Amino acid sequence: DAGVIQSPRHEVTEMGQEVTLRCKPISGHDYLFWYRQTMMRGLELLIYFNNNVPIDDSGMPEDRFSAKMPNASFSTLKIQPSEPRDSAVYFCASRSPGTTGELFFGEGSRLTVL
Amino acid sequence: GDSVTQMEGPVTLSEEAFLTINCTYTATGYPSLFWYVQYPGEGLQLLLKATKADDKGSNKGFEATYRKETTSFHLEKGSVQVSDSAVYFCALHTGGFKTIFGAGTRLFVKA
Repeated sequence: DAGVIQSPRHEVTEMGQEVTLRCKPISGHDYLFWYRQTMMRGLELLIYFNNNVPIDDSGMPEDRFSAKMPNASFSTLKIQPSEPRDSAVYFCASRSPGTTGELFFGEGSRLTVL
Repeated sequence: GDSVTQMEGPVTLSEEAFLTINCTYTATGYPSLFWYVQYPGEGLQLLLKATKADDKGSNKGFEATYRKETTSFHLEKGSVQVSDSAVYFCALHTGGFKTIFGAGTRLFVKA
């Protein structure tokens, strides 16, 4: 079975540019989570969706960050404009309904903003 | 609120040494407890879990027992290998929307 698929795996961009990260959750999973990981702050939850509806975006750092889930098989995290402090690894994870809470993570998108 | 505290790293061990990574939690209700492992350049993956008090989760030689009386879920392995070098995250889930993660503990195993 395919796991959570993220793209791109690596992105290098210049400050001020728009960045779009993509995620395809595991089929049948009804929760989707976006995390950010840095050495300084560790693993941070940015936003999560249930059945494509955003439930809690309190972890989104600024208005420059936005996330959408137009359907059950696709989500995007957009940063516009990007800044060097946004450099991090961004993970998407999904979860199956009726489970004990196990998360399935993608391999992450490593973002470098110059 | 709910929280997870795990021992700070890095932890450096020689191959075949015994490993313990401490994890304690604070939670209302009866959480499920997890250990996730992150190998270099990869995402987190579930290592083991326990869903109720006194349950023991185990996988790949790793074990952890859900101790309600001490609110702990310590990770142990009897003999570590170089390939176990990774970051280990303790986590809890109480049936709400979110999983609460600890800060992670980096393990280095030397040959």
